[in-house]
Amino acid sequence: AQSVSQHNHHVILSEAASLELGCNYSYGGTVNLFWYVQYPGQHLQLLLKYFSGDPLVKGIKGFEAEFIKSKFSFNLRKPSVQWSDTAEYFCAVNAASGTYKYIFGTGTRLKVLA
Amino acid sequence: EAGVTQFPSHSVIEKGQTVTLRCDPISGHDNLYWYRRVMGKEIKFLLHFVKESKQDESGMPNNRFLAERTGGTYSTLKVQPAELEDSGVYFCASRLGNNNSPLHFGNGTRLTVT
Repeated sequence: AQSVSQHNHHVILSEAASLELGCNYSYGGTVNLFWYVQYPGQHLQLLLKYFSGDPLVKGIKGFEAEFIKSKFSFNLRKPSVQWSDTAEYFCAVNAASGTYKYIFGTGTRLKVLA
Repeated sequence: EAGVTQFPSHSVIEKGQTVTLRCDPISGHDNLYWYRRVMGKEIKFLLHFVKESKQDESGMPNNRFLAERTGGTYSTLKVQPAELEDSGVYFCASRLGNNNSPLHFGNGTRLTVT
């Protein structure tokens, strides 16, 4: 069965610090990968996605993620965080064929100190 | 475009009562998903509709949960009778029929069973 692990549950950073959030998935076949973000009081929204091609994908607000197939990982990065990046971040995966059931991780709560 | 809307935003009921959650997807989105998040845990898949048909209901916890999507538009999720462990945030999401289209989430319904 598919599963997603996010190892950092809570992260606190100062503004301008670099960010890397870990995501590992468990699935033997071809996958699509996603990062979603939930800002305080808002709905979950897509940050970036990977379907195929260049394993380094860029999303909104300066975020990027790298798919490393050999490590089953899709870590999220941002070189310099801002106070407005305070949010909860979710990694998700679905099989590239089949039922398209999206599996989410437990989320990482990021707090950026001004 | 109007986003995914969920009603109510909050519901507090006693154990043994019935609650019905509603989700209105984005117009034209054939795929509709229900998810649940218990505090601090992952966003857990419940089921997936394609139009009015249940594509995958493998995540439904038990037969106290009933989801419908008559006419392939809005969906309801009924919990009867509710138990304490049903407390959590219930998210609805929708997407287009194109398999590369992303999920669009509603704001969720926070259900508290006392």
